[in-house]
Amino acid sequence: DTGVSQDPRHKITKRGQNVTFRCDPISEHNRLYWYRQTLGQGPEFLTYFQNEAQLEKSRLLSDRFSAERPKGSFSTLEIQRTEQGDSAMYLCASSLAGVNNEQFFGPGTRLTVL
Amino acid sequence: QKEVEQNSGPLSVPEGAIASLNCTYSDRGSQSFFWYRQYSGKSPELIMSIYSNGDKEDGRFTAQLNKASQYVSLLIRDSQPSDSATYLCANRGNTPLVFGKGTRLSVIA
Repeated sequence: DTGVSQDPRHKITKRGQNVTFRCDPISEHNRLYWYRQTLGQGPEFLTYFQNEAQLEKSRLLSDRFSAERPKGSFSTLEIQRTEQGDSAMYLCASSLAGVNNEQFFGPGTRLTVL
Repeated sequence: QKEVEQNSGPLSVPEGAIASLNCTYSDRGSQSFFWYRQYSGKSPELIMSIYSNGDKEDGRFTAQLNKASQYVSLLIRDSQPSDSATYLCANRGNTPLVFGKGTRLSVIA
């Protein structure tokens, strides 16, 4: 399968714990995006990378959230000191650079904070 | 605030009918427009992209864009029960995608 992959698919954690998610984009795509989706809402942009550079972060991305893409390939999203409000589906997408880029999503990581 | 507005539905259509899904957006700088389909519990799947005014057809799907009216729509011909899903409209200007909340479509056999 040459699509976007994410790991883990599901994560249950207790409030206050740290969690880390991984995303592997489509191999030739140089842009990688993180979104968060809650029930009944569309995906909300969190941050994106072009190669290893983090080019934009949403105001939604609090200090507890950090993302990396160290070698311009896979990316990690870490949430420190999780809160119940962090419970959501975390989606990763990738694309080529360019104005008319098409973004393709991975299967998502569903996070539940107890 | 850049917004994308969609009727949340549910939109119910009989099998074989045409389903019409609509979307308006606020960002006049938007250059690219996308429709995603999302089944319950799954991630969004890209089904159509459109960049210029007019119609774009792909199989049973037709996307329509009117930049002057800031309006984009998706028509699904010969609707099938397997088309039952939430359809997300998204646009992109100088920032990554902005999504609407989606319209839930139910195709009744």
